[in-house]
Parts: sequence; structure tokens; C-alpha cells
Amino acid sequence: DVKVTQSSRYLVKRTGEKVFLECVQDMDHENMFWYRQDPGLGLRLIYFSYDVKMKEKGDIPEGYSVSREKKERFSLILESASTNQTSMYLCASRSLKGSTGETYEQYFGPGTRLTVT
Amino acid sequence: AQSVTQPDIHITVSEGASLELRCNYSYGATPYLFWYVQSPGQGLQLLLKYFSGDTLVQGIKGFEAEFKRSQSSFNLRKPSVHWSDAAEYFCAVGGKGGGSNYKLTFGKGTLLTVNP
Repeated sequence: DVKVTQSSRYLVKRTGEKVFLECVQDMDHENMFWYRQDPGLGLRLIYFSYDVKMKEKGDIPEGYSVSREKKERFSLILESASTNQTSMYLCASRSLKGSTGETYEQYFGPGTRLTVT
Repeated sequence: AQSVTQPDIHITVSEGASLELRCNYSYGATPYLFWYVQSPGQGLQLLLKYFSGDTLVQGIKGFEAEFKRSQSSFNLRKPSVHWSDAAEYFCAVGGKGGGSNYKLTFGKGTLLTVNP
């Protein structure tokens, strides 16, 4: 089974702190994603990485950066956390080479609930 | 631009009753369609997906969905709901491969409550 893990389930940080959210997948997937989820807004894409060291901005990249130095790990960085970044953060990965042909579904981690005070 | 609309924010059904969750999408090419389920405090789990072929697709936990191109819909159904189905359900649309086709656009979700 595909496994996507996130470093913390719950995190509390202070305004202005630098925050790192880590995501690791164990299935050699090329693509990895960071979303934030807020009530009534659904999932919104922050950043996408289509391969190691490659990244692309999603719909709401402001205030965030990412790093992908190794294929299995994708980090989301909040350079200076603010209260409006309090949210649930979900990481996902996707293979472009499904075992039964083309699949393209995204596999999600359990999420990190970040509170910025 | 691609988009997904889930018209029902919250649905309540009785255990054993049938269920249909609606999803309408907008996508400029052949869509890849997904339904995900999220239990409280958890990540998203894939229920089923449609890429091509038979327009009625079967998924896990007894769910099925029907792709109707003429109506741009991909509604999720279950004949008899169990209390454990209470969760939030997300419909998503995307494409394959590189470029902007990597993007998966989600609806805002439908929260399902199951009464005993």
C-alpha cells in the first residue's frame, strides 16, 4: 500500500516563527502536492512538485515556500507564520506510472493541523 | 478553467436508506474524475475513480458513481448507508500527465450525517 506520512498531526506555533511541515512518501512517486483545507473552502493547492528540485506554484502560494531535495520528501515552509495560516495542511503524492496502466490518483497523508497564535 | 460543484453542503440520511451525492464539473478536455472520503481529523481516502470505459464505476465500501458526459456530472451513490459512512465527501476533476494537467480541482465537500 502507498503510504504518505506527515511529521506532525498537531502543531502550535507563534506569529512570526518559521515553520517546517514535512511529508514523506514510500512509493517512489514523481509528483507531490501541498494543500490547505479550510471549512467551506475545500482543498486549495499551495505548491506542486513534479520531480526532485522541481516545483510549481499552486493557487495560493503567497506566504509559503517548498523544498524537494529527495524524491520521497516534500517540505512546506512558512517563512513567517501568521494567524491566517492556521489551517489543516494535507500532503499528497501521485505516480505517473500506475501498475495497472494510467491511474493518476493522489494519495493523501493524515494531515497536520497547524495553529498559529 | 476547471471547476467542481457539489451543490449539497450537508446531507442527513437514516441508516439503511439510499444515498446520492451530487457532483458537477467543468473541464476542457477528457476529465479524470474522483471521489474521496474524509473521516474527522483524517486525510482523504480514494473511494473510486473514472478515466474511461464503462460509465458506471464501482468503488470501495459499496459505493458506485456514474459518469454522465452530457450532464457534466459524476454522482456518487450507495444503496444502503451504514453509520460508519458518516464523513465528508469530496469530488475532484483533473487530467493526466504534465503541464497544467497535473492539477486536481476539488469541490468544497458534502458532509454526510447518518441517523440511527
